[in-house]
Amino acid sequence: SQTIHQWPATLVQPVGSPLSLECTVEGTSNPNLYWYRQAAGRGLQLLFYSVGIGQISSEVPQNLSASRPQDRQFILSSKKLLLSDSGFYLCAWSVPTGYYGYTFGSGTRLTVV
Amino acid sequence: EDKVVQSPLSLVVHEGDTVTLNCSYEVTNFRSLLWYKQEKKAPTFLFMLTSSGIEKKSGRLSSILDKKELFSILNITATQTGDSAIYLCAGLPYNAGNNRKLIWGLGTSLAVNP
Repeated sequence: SQTIHQWPATLVQPVGSPLSLECTVEGTSNPNLYWYRQAAGRGLQLLFYSVGIGQISSEVPQNLSASRPQDRQFILSSKKLLLSDSGFYLCAWSVPTGYYGYTFGSGTRLTVV
Repeated sequence: EDKVVQSPLSLVVHEGDTVTLNCSYEVTNFRSLLWYKQEKKAPTFLFMLTSSGIEKKSGRLSSILDKKELFSILNITATQTGDSAIYLCAGLPYNAGNNRKLIWGLGTSLAVNP
């Protein structure tokens, strides 16, 4: 069966520090991968998605970047965090075709101080 | 612009009540509508609806889609405190690139009091 792992679960980082959040999927190949941010427990905002290795699409201009160095690995990064980067970050995967929804990772609560 | 609107935004009920959550959508090349439940962490999948008029059911939860009027409802009967959560609705359009980007509503926050 497929599983998705996301870490860390919580993170407190100072303004100006770098960020790296990692997400891996097991039990499937060539998944679509997504990074979302959720503010105040509502409103999922799509940040990045990837349909293949090295293929990253950005949905909103911001202080973050994403990479997909391996088929089932998706990384969210920042060189210098801003206070506004605080939030709940969710990784998700889906099959690229067919009638299936997303499966989400357990999320990372990021607080920038 | 594609959008999904959920109502009400928040709801407080007592255990045993029946609730109906609403989701209307305007999604170009609409394919399916999805419902998720989010407690403290990640949203968990409830239903995917693709055809009009066919009810999907899981225990006390059920959902139906109306593709003519562009809405869906999620019903929860005999609510329990464990049903307290944010319920998210999302539209899935067809996409030539198969990126499967969902159009999300803001969610309905349900609180079930004992």
